[in-house]
Amino acid sequence: EDKVVQSPLSLVVHEGDTVTLNCSYEVTNFRSLLWYKQEKKAPTFLFMLTSSGIEKKSGRLSSILDKKELFSILNITATQTGDSAVYLCAVYSGNTPLVFGKGTRLSVIA
Amino acid sequence: NAGVTQTPKFQVLKTGQSMTLQCAQDMNHNSMYWYRQDPGMGLRLIYYSASEGTTDKGEVPNGYNVSRLNKREFSLRLESAAPSQTSVYFCASSNPSGARTGELFFGEGSRLTVL
Repeated sequence: EDKVVQSPLSLVVHEGDTVTLNCSYEVTNFRSLLWYKQEKKAPTFLFMLTSSGIEKKSGRLSSILDKKELFSILNITATQTGDSAVYLCAVYSGNTPLVFGKGTRLSVIA
Repeated sequence: NAGVTQTPKFQVLKTGQSMTLQCAQDMNHNSMYWYRQDPGMGLRLIYYSASEGTTDKGEVPNGYNVSRLNKREFSLRLESAAPSQTSVYFCASSNPSGARTGELFFGEGSRLTVL
């Protein structure tokens, strides 16, 4: 059974801090790992990673995948209150739809 | 371009009542999905439809039925609602390239409360 574990489950930081969110996985036929951001409503797509060691970057957010150690991290630098959200990690094996972790709830306080 | 549209957005039911959540996408996607989200549980797959005419069970299918009415529409039915089905329900779809990478496009969610 495919499995995705995120840590920490929740995190409170001050504006300007840098945070690292973790995602480890076990899948039988890995194809991709995806990060989503969920504020009040639907999850919105952030990154998709398929290859090890290649950093994906978008502004203050970046993510990298380690296929040997079966994990990914999502970094957010210079956090802002608008970064407060649940961050979801999901893996795709090609056999079944996305399997999601439980998410990390990030709260950024001014 | 509306993307994925779900109705209703909110619903309150009594135990034993039935209802159908509707979902439609206008992106010509082949695959559609229903997830539920409970506090601290992430997103759990209820049912999915890889293509028009096919449906498959996900992780938590008990108490639900689905219908892939056509390529655009995928409905989720609760025949006899139970308090354990109180949740936020998300419909999603994926395009052919997404089917190879897994990327999903989500609706805004439907909040269901069963009393």
